[in-house]
Amino acid sequence: GESVGLHLPTLSVQEGDNSIINCAYSNSASDYFIWYKQESGKGPQFIIDIRSNMDKRQGQRVTVLLNKTVKHLSLQIAATQPGDSAVYFCAETPRIYHGNKLVFGAGTILRVKS
Amino acid sequence: DTAVSQTPKYLVTQMGNDKSIKCEQNLGHDTMYWYKQDSKKFLKIMFSYNNKELIINETVPNRFSPKSPDKAHLNLHINSLELGDSAVYFCASSRSFSGELFFGEGSRLTVL
Repeated sequence: GESVGLHLPTLSVQEGDNSIINCAYSNSASDYFIWYKQESGKGPQFIIDIRSNMDKRQGQRVTVLLNKTVKHLSLQIAATQPGDSAVYFCAETPRIYHGNKLVFGAGTILRVKS
Repeated sequence: DTAVSQTPKYLVTQMGNDKSIKCEQNLGHDTMYWYKQDSKKFLKIMFSYNNKELIINETVPNRFSPKSPDKAHLNLHINSLELGDSAVYFCASSRSFSGELFFGEGSRLTVL
């Protein structure tokens, strides 16, 4: 597949298990964080976001956790499905403004085994 | 009906040539972007426009020139293509003050 040869961190999970994808960020001024999912041959797709005044936010089957003390962000996916297989990116920005400079992390490959 | 569409999807060309990639969004968004994704999947912003005004212009060679004829379109012209320009270029759009970007499917540029 497209991930062959990529040296991104890879998480392999069994279908139905929960997945946790981690992201460390370096800019302590970052105020807004987002997770994106990129399937093979497609553009990134928004999953969930969180502002720095929160430490947890839940969506449908996904939860984002933010630990500002250690500058760490995680994405939890419940009951992982084959369709969740993709590259996952965290992104951050110091502030949301009309131009929106999002800085993306390196990405993590999620492989779901059936 | 594709929300953010970019053409062409694939582009193979020789070094030194000039090429353009076009992008259109039908979401009514005010902000449009160009991102470059390299072979390691690293995504980096190149430009952003808000209401046809250039807002972000990252450290991109002058050979890259974006143009926004209206809020729904953002094109990217590249002069004197180099081998290092080979990448996938993504167009995206969003509402102002939103981190939810809607990306196109990408244009894979290969420079030989």
